[in-house]
Amino acid sequence: SQQGEEDPQALSIQEGENATMNCSYKTSINNLQWYRQNSGRGLVHLILIRSNEREKHSGRLRVTLDTSKKSSSLLITASRAADTASYFCATDASGTYKYIFGTGTRLKVLA
Amino acid sequence: DTEVTQTPKHLVMGMTNKKSLKCEQHMGHRAMYWYKQKAKKPPELMFVYSYEKLSINESVPSRFSPECPNSSLLNLHLHALQPEDSALYLCASSQGVGSFTDTQYFGPGTRLTVL
Repeated sequence: SQQGEEDPQALSIQEGENATMNCSYKTSINNLQWYRQNSGRGLVHLILIRSNEREKHSGRLRVTLDTSKKSSSLLITASRAADTASYFCATDASGTYKYIFGTGTRLKVLA
Repeated sequence: DTEVTQTPKHLVMGMTNKKSLKCEQHMGHRAMYWYKQKAKKPPELMFVYSYEKLSINESVPSRFSPECPNSSLLNLHLHALQPEDSALYLCASSQGVGSFTDTQYFGPGTRLTVL
């Protein structure tokens, strides 16, 4: 299966700290995306990074991609209680409009 | 408008019922998706429609029947479901142009309970 593995499965930090979560995948990709999901709700797109990019920033988010290691990381800086959610990476299967989601990291930010 | 809407928000049905889930987007997207998500698990792809034609069926049981009446609407018809089909059903859409996948926009989901 192409499904990505994410670690850690769960992460609990204090407000103001940085949170890092990692995603590993198995096959070649065109792009990798990160999504956030608040409990029982729909997914919100955070950032897309293409296979020819190594790093991307969006506000307090920083995503890196290492295609040689088939891995990506999401860094949330200066975390807030509102960042409490599950975070998923998603990779595509080339040319099929098919996304495979990773196992997810449950982040809890304590006020 | 980057909104995908889904109705109903919650649905409880018996195993002999027939019901439908609805999804709508007005972003001009040409690819639409159905996902199933169990608690504390990632979304699992069920179906992909591209230009109103079914392009991917991830070996989903026939008791789930998708339909794309037009480029803005996506339905999921449910019949003779099992209790293990209880889950959050998510709809998504994307531009769907060209050979590269792109950003998917998700609806809030329908929480389905099968009794």
